Amino acid sequence: EIVMTQSPATLSVSPGERATLSCRASQSVGSNLAWYQQKPGQAPRLLIYAASTRATGIPARFSGRGSGTEFTLTISSLQSEDFAVYFCHQYNKSPFYTFGQGTKLEIK
Amino acid sequence: VQLVESGGGLVKPGGSLRLSCAASGFTFSSYAMSWVRQAPGKGLEWVSTISGSGDSVYYADSVKGRFTISRDTSKNTLYLQMNSLRAEDMALYYCAKDGLPVVGDYWYFDYWGQGTRVTVSS
Repeated sequence: EIVMTQSPATLSVSPGERATLSCRASQSVGSNLAWYQQKPGQAPRLLIYAASTRATGIPARFSGRGSGTEFTLTISSLQSEDFAVYFCHQYNKSPFYTFGQGTKLEIK
Repeated sequence: VQLVESGGGLVKPGGSLRLSCAASGFTFSSYAMSWVRQAPGKGLEWVSTISGSGDSVYYADSVKGRFTISRDTSKNTLYLQMNSLRAEDMALYYCAKDGLPVVGDYWYFDYWGQGTRVTVSS
């Protein structure tokens, strides 16, 4: 099983600042990595797939980078609606998918 | 695209439930579908996937032999039959649509339902 490890568990950032979230895979997943945003009481929403491709309707302030085992999600200028939990998801060994444990992005 | 889950509820340990996911807004038979669960306050855990044709099914080790995934193309509905339920199966169960209509391969999830809650308690 590919283990996905996200860091930090909680990130406190002020609105308007940049946030960088990390995700590490226990073995290479190539570029087969997605990021999701989840707000309380809501289903996850796809933000990024193929490590760096924004999903339909996702603002340009969201960007993804990385390949192999190291990935980052950057939100360039945080808006109030961006405070949520973010999950990474590998689909290289699909469909035996695994997710990171999540990073909670909170208002500083 | 719309995915609407139903069928969750309270069940005793060892009991059974069948979850349903009604899909609309896309060609249901062209896409693999999956169930993903989230225990209270926890992260996401993949449960099961079925190919677009229904010919191929996959399960997490934690549910293999107890859960059965299926789909009915005539009804555009995905199912999860859950037997021998345990306390550790208690979670919000989401159905999710595969991102690409590629036969024999499986991708990220581009749409999720709102989930149906399963509670296992005596």
